Amino acid sequence: GAGVSQSPSNKVTEKGKDVELRCDPISGHTALYWYRQSLGQGLEFLIYFQGNSAPDKSGLPSDRFSAERTGGSVSTLTIQRTQQEDSAVYLCASSFQGLTEAFFGQGTRLTVV
Amino acid sequence: QQQVKQSPQSLIVQKGGISIINCAYENTAFDYFPWYQQFPGKGPALLIAIRPDVSEKKEGRFTISFNKSAKQFSLHIMDSQPGDSATYFCAASDITDSWGKFQFGAGTQVVVTP
Repeated sequence: GAGVSQSPSNKVTEKGKDVELRCDPISGHTALYWYRQSLGQGLEFLIYFQGNSAPDKSGLPSDRFSAERTGGSVSTLTIQRTQQEDSAVYLCASSFQGLTEAFFGQGTRLTVV
Repeated sequence: QQQVKQSPQSLIVQKGGISIINCAYENTAFDYFPWYQQFPGKGPALLIAIRPDVSEKKEGRFTISFNKSAKQFSLHIMDSQPGDSATYFCAASDITDSWGKFQFGAGTQVVVTP
C-alpha cells in the first residue's frame, strides 16, 4: 500500500479482555516496529521484526504482550487480559530492510475501561 | 532511564519567529538522529534527519544542528508558521542495530500564534 495502515483506528475494551491490533506495512518493507505512546508521553519501543523474525522484543512490557508477523507483511500485536495502564496509542512503523528511514502509521488508540 | 532528553516541553512562538528545540543523548553508539512532527490524531511524520558526519543539515525552513562532542542536537524552525503548530519528537538510533529502533525524546508541543 501507499503507507503504513493500522486497524482499528480506535478500540475500546473492557479490562481483562484480549485485544488484537493490526499493522499492514508499506509494500516491500521488511522491517516493522511497534511503539506505544501513552498520554503526554514520548514513544516507547516495543518490538522489532525483520521479516517474520523478531530479533528484538526487549520493549514488550509484560508477558501479556505478544506480536507476530506472517508472510513478511502484516503484523498483529496482541494484548491479553488488558489493564487500564495499557490504554495508549499503539503505533506501527516500517522501513526497507531496517536500512532506511521509518514511516509510521496513524496508530490505534486503545482505551481500556 | 531516558536515553534521549528533550527540551523544552512546550513553547509558544509568534508567526515569523524562530522555534528551537534541543535534545541530548547518552549512548555514543547512536548514529542516526531524526526529528518527527506529529499532529493530533496522526502518526509521527519524518521531518528531517542527520548523521554524525555533518554538523548541520538544512531543509527549507528546518535546520538540524549537531554537536557530537557534546552529544546534543537541535531543531531550528525558521519563519515559524501557524501550520507548524504540532508536537515535535527527536529520536536516535544505532543503525548497526536497526535504523527504525528509536529512543525518542519526550516531545515538544509547539504553538505558533498568528
